[in-house]
Amino acid sequence: DTGVSQDPRHKITKRGQNVTFRCDPISEHNRLYWYRQTLGQGPEFLTYFQNEAQLEKSRLLSDRFSAERPKGSFSTLEIQRTEQGDSAMYLCASSSGQGERAFFGQGTRLTVV
Amino acid sequence: GQQVMQIPQYQHVQEGEDFTTYCNSSTTLSNIQWYKQRPGGHPVFLIQLVKSGEVKKQKRLTFQFGEAKKNSSLHITATQTTDVGTYFCAGNENQGGKLIFGQGTELSVKP
Repeated sequence: DTGVSQDPRHKITKRGQNVTFRCDPISEHNRLYWYRQTLGQGPEFLTYFQNEAQLEKSRLLSDRFSAERPKGSFSTLEIQRTEQGDSAMYLCASSSGQGERAFFGQGTRLTVV
Repeated sequence: GQQVMQIPQYQHVQEGEDFTTYCNSSTTLSNIQWYKQRPGGHPVFLIQLVKSGEVKKQKRLTFQFGEAKKNSSLHITATQTTDVGTYFCAGNENQGGKLIFGQGTELSVKP
């Protein structure tokens, strides 16, 4: 399968713990997006990369969230000191360039207890 | 900042009826994309519109991009149970920008 893959698929963590998610985009895709989705809502933009450069981070995102894409391939999203409000589906998507269609991974479902 | 709004939030139809969802952006878009998300699934790309006033068709689905490139619509003719899911529009404010999604319209089809 050469689609976008995300790991883990599910994560249950205690409030206050740190979590890290990984996304492997489609190879050759230089653009990578992170979104958060809660029930009944559309994907909420978190951040995106063009190769290894993080071009924008949502102003709604607290400093507890950080993302990296060190070599322009896979990306990680870390949430520090998790809160119950962080419970959501975290979606990663990649595209071949600006304005191109996005391919989504299956997502990582985070539950903070 | 850029906002993309969709209406209605939910639509329940009888199989065979038509369905339309509308998308409006607070800013002019360079393009608009439509995605479908099945229950428990992830968004899957349907189509992209780029030109002002553009209309594209995919079988029973018709997509339109407004003349001002600030609104769009998706119309499904004679819905089928396989059309069930949530339909999202997503827009780029400028060619190099991020992709912003609307809240989606959830379609349910009663057989």
